[in-house]
Amino acid sequence: GQNIDQPTEMTATEGAIVQINCTYQTSGFNGLFWYQQHAGEAPTFLSYNVLDGLEEKGRFSSFLSRSKGYSYLLLKELQMKDSASYLCAVRDSNYQLIWGAGTKLIIKP
Amino acid sequence: ETGVTQTPRHLVMGMTNKKSLKCEQHLGHNAMYWYKQSAKKPLELMFVYNFKEQTENNSVPSRFSPECPNSSHLFLHLHTLQPEDSALYLCASSQEYGEVYEQYFGPGTRLTVT
Repeated sequence: GQNIDQPTEMTATEGAIVQINCTYQTSGFNGLFWYQQHAGEAPTFLSYNVLDGLEEKGRFSSFLSRSKGYSYLLLKELQMKDSASYLCAVRDSNYQLIWGAGTKLIIKP
Repeated sequence: ETGVTQTPRHLVMGMTNKKSLKCEQHLGHNAMYWYKQSAKKPLELMFVYNFKEQTENNSVPSRFSPECPNSSHLFLHLHTLQPEDSALYLCASSQEYGEVYEQYFGPGTRLTVT
């Protein structure tokens, strides 16, 4: 079956750096997405990786290793507003998104 | 209105009721989706419409019935639901056949079945 694994919850300190990991086993691969979802709100798109390597977008970066079935989202200079759930999703061979359960990130002052 | 809108935002219904959820996208996209989101579980894809044609139905019970009258509107008709159907129902849209085609989500309808 298809599976996306990410930690359930993480805690970090304001101003610090945190890395949220995602491992996947899917039938085919056509890109990996990271979304942010604040409590009670819609998920919003953060990043997309289809080739191996690091994609940087301001304070957020996303890394992909297709051979390892592995990605991470790196958040730098953490702010209180970064407290949210972070969802990893992989597009499979049918171009459907397979979603992880999300990682709840708690930022402490 | 911009983006993806959903109404109602909250809905409480009994198991014998019939209700409908509405989604509208103002992004000119050609694909729309219904998802179910339950606490601490992955998003569950329910239905996909490409160019108004249903292309995916992930073994969803028949008490959920989608309707897509045009590329901007999507409905989810609900009848004789069960308490385990209580969840957040999210609508999303995307521009298929583009380079990235990320999905844009609406704010969701929080459904409680009593």
